[in-house]
Amino acid sequence: NAGVTQTPKFQVLKTGQSMTLQCAQDMNHEYMSWYRQDPGMGLRLIHYSVGAGITDQGEVPNGYNVSRSTTEDFPLRLLSAAPSQTSVYFCASSSKGLAGPPSTDTQYFGPGTRLTVL
Amino acid sequence: DQQVKQNSPSLSVQEGRISILNCDYTNSMFDYFLWYKKYPAEGPTFLISISSIKDKNEDGRFTVFLNKSAKHLSLHIVPSQPGDSAVYFCAAAEDSGAGSYQLTFGKGTKLSVIP
Repeated sequence: NAGVTQTPKFQVLKTGQSMTLQCAQDMNHEYMSWYRQDPGMGLRLIHYSVGAGITDQGEVPNGYNVSRSTTEDFPLRLLSAAPSQTSVYFCASSSKGLAGPPSTDTQYFGPGTRLTVL
Repeated sequence: DQQVKQNSPSLSVQEGRISILNCDYTNSMFDYFLWYKKYPAEGPTFLISISSIKDKNEDGRFTVFLNKSAKHLSLHIVPSQPGDSAVYFCAAAEDSGAGSYQLTFGKGTKLSVIP
């Protein structure tokens, strides 16, 4: 099993450019989410999805769009990149969507995408 | 306002000794607490969790203690091994409705185990 995969691993953008960070999982998980990690900070939830066709905002959603057309894929779109979006982005999935005690299910994280916006 | 705090950015421990990583929280509505381990250039991986109705959970060399009255939890690693060197994140989960939980992470503590 590949688990959770993310592409690209590294990306440099100019201010104002748009791009899509890809995330895919092959575990048939219903719940997927996107986090960002900034230096000296914990992971902060951007958007999440509890199943195909259903998405919702997390703690820091501004400047990002998501969609969930299939169970496997959960792309994150940057509409107009800003230097404040320079970060490492992690995608995660879990079978119950933490819809159930986390001790019985856990989130599996991808390896991350390191994004720099100049 | 940070709801999950890991006040020690780093910790160095000799191989074979005990590592104690601490975490404090402010939200009394948190139902579960989890620890994640992260190596450089990799995503976090789940380590151990504890329900708010328990005060201890053990898994091999890893034990998590929860003190609800003090809103404090700690992760003990005994004995520490060089492979344990990583960043450890404390996370707390709250039921956000319909049985769905979301995680709030601390800033992490970088553990270095010295051979």
